Amino acid sequence: GAGVSQSPSNKVTEKGKDVELRCDPISGHTALYWYRQRLGQGLEFLIYFQGNSAPDKSGLPSDRFSAERTGESVSTLTIQRTQQEDSAVYLCASSLPRGQSEAFFGQGTRLTVV
Amino acid sequence: DAKTTQPPSMDCAEGRAANLPCNHSTISGNEYVYWYRQIHSQGPQYIIHGLKNNETNEMASLIITEDRKSSTLILPHATLRDTAVYYCIVRRSNDYKLSFGAGTTVTVRA
Repeated sequence: GAGVSQSPSNKVTEKGKDVELRCDPISGHTALYWYRQRLGQGLEFLIYFQGNSAPDKSGLPSDRFSAERTGESVSTLTIQRTQQEDSAVYLCASSLPRGQSEAFFGQGTRLTVV
Repeated sequence: DAKTTQPPSMDCAEGRAANLPCNHSTISGNEYVYWYRQIHSQGPQYIIHGLKNNETNEMASLIITEDRKSSTLILPHATLRDTAVYYCIVRRSNDYKLSFGAGTTVTVRA
């Protein structure tokens, strides 16, 4: 497809379980971002990948959160031992390398921890 | 990055121009003004950006004051599908991070 693809679109998990969220960026986009948006709130930056550079993990809220990216393709965001406060929409975006490049967002994964 | 201030909400009549203000009084010379919007249950969508000149594209126009301390996003003919949260973001040219504030909730009414 032409846009950023995220899967699954919805995920319900039990508290304490691990979840993996996937993001397929736009082909050729070397920059990839993960954001979190809790219900009725703004977007929180989580992590940024740019090519082979070390990722900016400064927004990850705890060590239960981690993300990986293979080269300039797919990224996965993993949340271990999920808690109810992890319930949110997780948004992925990709862009050309920094500068004035616009970011293209996916539709997000809605995570509900019960 | 400089902070931005936007009104929390505004209404607009369908077919009329919507003028969305943004204050960024601490903006520095190498910071651009970006606008994104987020329609309900969707990811944010890029609208437009500028440095100091006014910009126009197929979606909107961006008017930046001469001192660059404020800007206005103009949707020339608002439609019901323009109902969304609009975010004004200031970002350095070599910075990758987009910092989203609370934005302005725009409701277009028939």
